[in-house]
Amino acid sequence: DIVMTQSPDSLAVSLGERATINCKSSQSVLYSSNNKNYLAWYQQKPGQPPKLLIYWASTRESGVPDRFSGSGSGTDFTLTISSLQAEDVAVYYCQQYYSTSMYTFGQGTKLEIK
Amino acid sequence: QVQLQESGPGLVKPSGTLSLTCAVSGGSISSSNWWSWIRQPPGKGLEWIGEIYHSGSTNYNPSLKSRVTISVDKSKNQFSLKLSSVTAADTAVYYCARNSAAGTDYWGQGTLVTVSS
Repeated sequence: DIVMTQSPDSLAVSLGERATINCKSSQSVLYSSNNKNYLAWYQQKPGQPPKLLIYWASTRESGVPDRFSGSGSGTDFTLTISSLQAEDVAVYYCQQYYSTSMYTFGQGTKLEIK
Repeated sequence: QVQLQESGPGLVKPSGTLSLTCAVSGGSISSSNWWSWIRQPPGKGLEWIGEIYHSGSTNYNPSLKSRVTISVDKSKNQFSLKLSSVTAADTAVYYCARNSAAGTDYWGQGTLVTVSS
């Protein structure tokens, strides 16, 4: 199984400042035939299902604000919120969907306002 | 806009079988997507349970494989989850969702299933 490890587990950032969350996979999620990383990022607010933010490691889902960006390739990935807004308080998860017989999520990173 | 809605008992007795159904609307379950079940114990992270294609092909989490069955009913545009021999550790919010090449892009609202006598 591909193990996904996020860091940090929790993060407090001031409004308007940058927030950075890291995700590391135990093996590459880069599909060589199309050069795409099968890595997604989700945002989950209390009492709600997760919401897809980023797919293919760096493509923003339709309607997601451009302050959210994803980067990385192979085994190391980053979700960046360029200017934190109050509504961004949530838990963020990375997920690999490279191994189609077993998708796996990171343990989650709780983002709060400092 | 694809919508998914979970339904089923909110309380299951230990050693019993958890059964949930996911109704899909706004799209066909026979589209080129896989359909997943994912769960989240209270206050914890997300765990992928398994998925099904409209042909009936399935993939399951190895840690749950011996207890899980996912099936599809194309005539009703829905898919279902059965988890047998449940214990308190199976208490969770259960989500159904759609997988695409862009990840898991549509989710149901989730349903809490509690395992208790």
